[in-house]
Amino acid sequence: EAQVTQNPRYLITVTGKKLTVTCSQNMNHEYMSWYRQDPGLGLRQIYYSMNVEVTDKGDVPEGYKVSRKEKRNFPLILESPSPNQTSLYFCASSGAGSNSPLHFGNGTRLTVT
Amino acid sequence: GQSLEQPSEVTAVEGAIVQINCTYQTSGFYGLSWYQQHDGGAPTFLSYNGLDGLEETGRFSSFLSRSDSYGYLLLQELQMKDSASYFCAVITGAGGFKTIFGAGTRLFVKA
Repeated sequence: EAQVTQNPRYLITVTGKKLTVTCSQNMNHEYMSWYRQDPGLGLRQIYYSMNVEVTDKGDVPEGYKVSRKEKRNFPLILESPSPNQTSLYFCASSGAGSNSPLHFGNGTRLTVT
Repeated sequence: GQSLEQPSEVTAVEGAIVQINCTYQTSGFYGLSWYQQHDGGAPTFLSYNGLDGLEETGRFSSFLSRSDSYGYLLLQELQMKDSASYFCAVITGAGGFKTIFGAGTRLFVKA
């Protein structure tokens, strides 16, 4: 089954404790992206990657890191999480064309206390 | 800057037709997409418009006018299961195929 898999689904952590949210897709998609969703703000792009070893900042990259060492994986790293990073996070992937739809993972709800 | 505007909420009755508008300001515009998200779920793709005009997919249609920087999603024969949030999203060439989402429109379908 074609899918984007994110883990974990829920995560509660404390300020400053490094964490990684994993994302993997099995559709051989070139493009992968991370979004955060907050009430009233929609989905805001954190980072995106056009292909292996090619990443770029989205609209809200501060406090986040990503890497794309393999085509299928695009982990999101929070080196020192803070409470303002409490949010719902989605990973997405798509083919290379502008008309290729984004396929989203099921989301990771992160709480930083 | 880049921005998308869509209504925050729309309410309609079952069986009716509803239109959700989206206006945008971006650079490097490639196309406009629409996504649906039910509570607790992930966004799912509904439609894409790269050229001016209407695209129809079953009960849903989407329209784009590039000259007016405007698009809409039209939902016909509304069903209770259509109650969800709907997001317009612009695909922009700025730095690659970057997708920017609007804040979303919450659709309530009443019996």
